[in-house]
Amino acid sequence: AQKITQTQPGMFVQEKEAVTLDCTYDTSDQSYGLFWYKQPSSGEMIFLIYQGSYDEQNATEGRYSLNFQKARKSANLVISASQLGDSAMYFCAMREDKIQGAQKLVFGQGTRLTINP
Amino acid sequence: DARVTQTPRHKVTEMGQEVTMRCQPILGHNTVFWYRQTMMQGLELLAYFRNRAPLDDSGMPKDRFSAEMPDATLATLKIQPSEPRDSAVYFCASGSLAVLWVDEQFFGPGTRLTVL
Repeated sequence: AQKITQTQPGMFVQEKEAVTLDCTYDTSDQSYGLFWYKQPSSGEMIFLIYQGSYDEQNATEGRYSLNFQKARKSANLVISASQLGDSAMYFCAMREDKIQGAQKLVFGQGTRLTINP
Repeated sequence: DARVTQTPRHKVTEMGQEVTMRCQPILGHNTVFWYRQTMMQGLELLAYFRNRAPLDDSGMPKDRFSAEMPDATLATLKIQPSEPRDSAVYFCASGSLAVLWVDEQFFGPGTRLTVL
């Protein structure tokens, strides 16, 4: 079963507009973490933002914020005031927190974001 | 500026050859992950180590892949023999175990492998 779903394969946004990248997840665990990574054309994976399942406040990091709706199992990334340099692939990932065994990240298929001037 | 380093950055080889990819985790990190990225499958976890011990390698084809951490500063991923379907970008990531889990994984730049 797909654990992380990103329904938008590609998005096109005008510079300076805000953009929301969708992510829904599936888990039966109570404790888990949600991540967003950015992968520019150069290929490296850049950590953007993290939300723990017990965090009551939505995470924010500069222009990035995570719209966490636990009941809906969604963790959308919001980028405010988009810039040309935001053009990249964006991956949502989940870590299920287990005392024993793997705390591995499971990634979604990604959304390719293109910012138009 | 602490970073995960990976070598080589690019590797082109012929089918049947052995491939060794190396990763130097960030100093002090005790958790190392190997991921593979392809267009078809996306990002998949191959193996992960904590304190140099393998904890999960269920994502790795056991017949041809092996992952080791000979010491705390080096992780290796070997493919023998390599096949064209192994062509992918292989990422190493490291993290620091906080309490019971890793808060963030820092990714290396990746090794782009092409098997002809």
